[in-house]
Amino acid sequence: AQSVTQLGSHVSVSEGALVLLRCNYSSSVPPYLFWYVQYPNQGLQLLLKYTTGATLVKGINGFEAEFKKSETSFHLTKPSAHMSDAAEYFCAVSVIPGGGADGLTFGKGTHLIIQP
Amino acid sequence: KAGVTQTPRYLIKTRGQQVTLSCSPISGHRSVSWYQQTPGQGLQFLFEYFSETQRNKGNFPGRFSGRQFSNSRSEMNVSTLELGDSALYLCASSLGRSENGYTFGSGTRLTVV
Repeated sequence: AQSVTQLGSHVSVSEGALVLLRCNYSSSVPPYLFWYVQYPNQGLQLLLKYTTGATLVKGINGFEAEFKKSETSFHLTKPSAHMSDAAEYFCAVSVIPGGGADGLTFGKGTHLIIQP
Repeated sequence: KAGVTQTPRYLIKTRGQQVTLSCSPISGHRSVSWYQQTPGQGLQFLFEYFSETQRNKGNFPGRFSGRQFSNSRSEMNVSTLELGDSALYLCASSLGRSENGYTFGSGTRLTVV
């Protein structure tokens, strides 16, 4: 079975600083990988996804992530943090590529705090 | 275009009762998935429906069930509610393949007292 590990339940950065949220996955087959953001009392919003092709994926709001198969990682980065980035971030994996929807397996989430 | 609509937004029920939650997907999306979010267990997959058929199911007891109608709208039912069923229930809409990604609704906050 697949699993997702997000290192750090809370990450604090200063406004304008680099944001790095770590995600490692475990899967016996090539995965599809996703990053979602959740604001308080809201659902999940898709930031970006990796399915096939280019391993560096750009998403909304200036975020990007790089799929590294050798490291089984899909870390999320943003060059310059903004106060509005404060939220909960979830990494997720789906391991039935090519069809169907087995459901997403989520990490526990990382709460991003932006210091003024 | 309209997003994923979940109703109601908030619900308070008593132990032992049953509850039905509703999800209307994005127009044209044929897949609806349901997730339970709690502080302790995080986000957990309940089940997924595609063209009115349950295509996949997570590890939840039989008290949790769902269905999908011909217009792709989905309902989730929980019978014999327990205190531990208190959670945010999220619905996700998709074209039907994992690589399409999933669009989530704002959720239904269920409190069992």
